[in-house]
Amino acid sequence: EVQLVESGGGLVQPGGSLRLSCAASGFTFSNYWMNWFRQAPGKGLEWVANIKRDGSEKYYVDSVKGRFTISRDNAKNSLSLQMNSLRAEDTAVYYCASPFDWGQGTLVTVSS
Amino acid sequence: QAVVTQEPSLTVSPGGTVTLTCGSSTGAVTSGHYPYWFQQKPGQAPRTLIYDTSNKHSWTPARFSGSLLGGKAALTLSGAQPEDEADYYCLLSYSGPRVFGGGTKLTVL
Repeated sequence: EVQLVESGGGLVQPGGSLRLSCAASGFTFSNYWMNWFRQAPGKGLEWVANIKRDGSEKYYVDSVKGRFTISRDNAKNSLSLQMNSLRAEDTAVYYCASPFDWGQGTLVTVSS
Repeated sequence: QAVVTQEPSLTVSPGGTVTLTCGSSTGAVTSGHYPYWFQQKPGQAPRTLIYDTSNKHSWTPARFSGSLLGGKAALTLSGAQPEDEADYYCLLSYSGPRVFGGGTKLTVL
């Protein structure tokens, strides 16, 4: 059974940092591009970043470039998102996703 | 970055057929955009229905199908069921970056 389990969300002040993690199991993690998506309260889905199978290519939505960094550890079947200089508009549920499956999400709230 | 457009809302009768579309501001949607379709019900995480234009996930009901239609990606629901009432999102690939459409709220009524 495929499982994607996010962790690391929480409340953080504007300008602060947070690191999200995603533990993957049930599939060959190293074979797939991986994504982070997010959904602000009451809003639609937004793609945030993705990373190639071997980590050699990474892409970001314009609004997070220079602030967020996606990474992966294929030996540990894990995906991460380092989020710096957080803003109120980054408040959302963040989802880890393979090409076929999604995690349940972790809530990030940026507020003073 | 590109803008991806979907119908904000659609209504279908139980047992009826409806087509949701997904267009791109950069021109025609092709198989090279690897269109995805996701379904999201209130309070739940999204789940993948269709990937790479027309491929179904193991849990995708047979009544859903994906295609390219008139320069757009399309999701057709044939024989709508009450449980199909949900938000539907398409996702297009632009050689690395991805962009979601704004979503279509489908009502089965």
